[in-house]
Amino acid sequence: DGGITQSPKYLFRKEGQNVTLSCEQNLNHDAMYWYRQDPGQGLRLIYYSQIVNDFQKGDIAEGYSVSREKKESFPLTVTSAQKNPTAFYLCASSTLGLEQYFGPGTRLTVT
Amino acid sequence: GIQVEQSPPDLILQEGANSTLRCNFSDSVNNLQWFHQNPWGQLINLFYIPSGTKQNGRLSATTVATERYSLLYISSSQTTDSGVYFCAVTPSGSARQLTFGSGTQLTVLP
Repeated sequence: DGGITQSPKYLFRKEGQNVTLSCEQNLNHDAMYWYRQDPGQGLRLIYYSQIVNDFQKGDIAEGYSVSREKKESFPLTVTSAQKNPTAFYLCASSTLGLEQYFGPGTRLTVT
Repeated sequence: GIQVEQSPPDLILQEGANSTLRCNFSDSVNNLQWFHQNPWGQLINLFYIPSGTKQNGRLSATTVATERYSLLYISSSQTTDSGVYFCAVTPSGSARQLTFGSGTQLTVLP
C-alpha cells in the first residue's frame, strides 16, 4: 500500500537523551516535512526538505536535527537541547507545491 | 508571517444537523487544505482547495481567495464526524510549507 509510515507510535525517554523518530514514504514525493503538535493547538513546522541532501529550518527548529539521505526517508532527532520535547510529532510529504499527506504520528513523552 | 484564524473554536451539534466552519487568512495563498483529525491523531485530508468549490459526499468546501476566506460545510452530521477540523495554508511565494489554524473542535451528539 502507498503511504507514509512513522515509527514508533509511542516513545518514552528520559530527559537528557537524544531520540530519533522515523518517517518513510513510498509515494515518490520530493518534499517531506516534520510538524509538532501540542495539546489543543494546531501544527507547527519544525523542518522541511524539498530534495535529497537538502533541508531547511521551519518555525521551531531549535533543539531538533534532520537528515535526508534518501528520497523515501526523513528522520527527525529530538536532542537534549529541546526544552519541551514532549509532544505529538507528525511527518508529511508532497509533490512540490501540491497537497500534503500526513503519517499517523509519534507521541513522544520525556520525563 | 501569515495568520490563519478558524471559527468557531468549538461546536456541538445534534446528529443530522448541518454546520459551517470558517477559515480566514491574512495574505494571499497558493495552497489551502482542510483536514479532519480523528481521536487517534491521524490527519485525514478532506480538501485541497486554493480556490473554488468542491464537494465530497456530505462535505463541501468553498475558498474565495480574493476575500481571503474558506468555508467547510458538513451536512447531515454523524457521530463519526466528531474531531478537530484544521485549515492550513501556504502563502503565495513561500517555500510551500503549511501554516495551520488552531482548529474547530466538533462534537456530534447521538
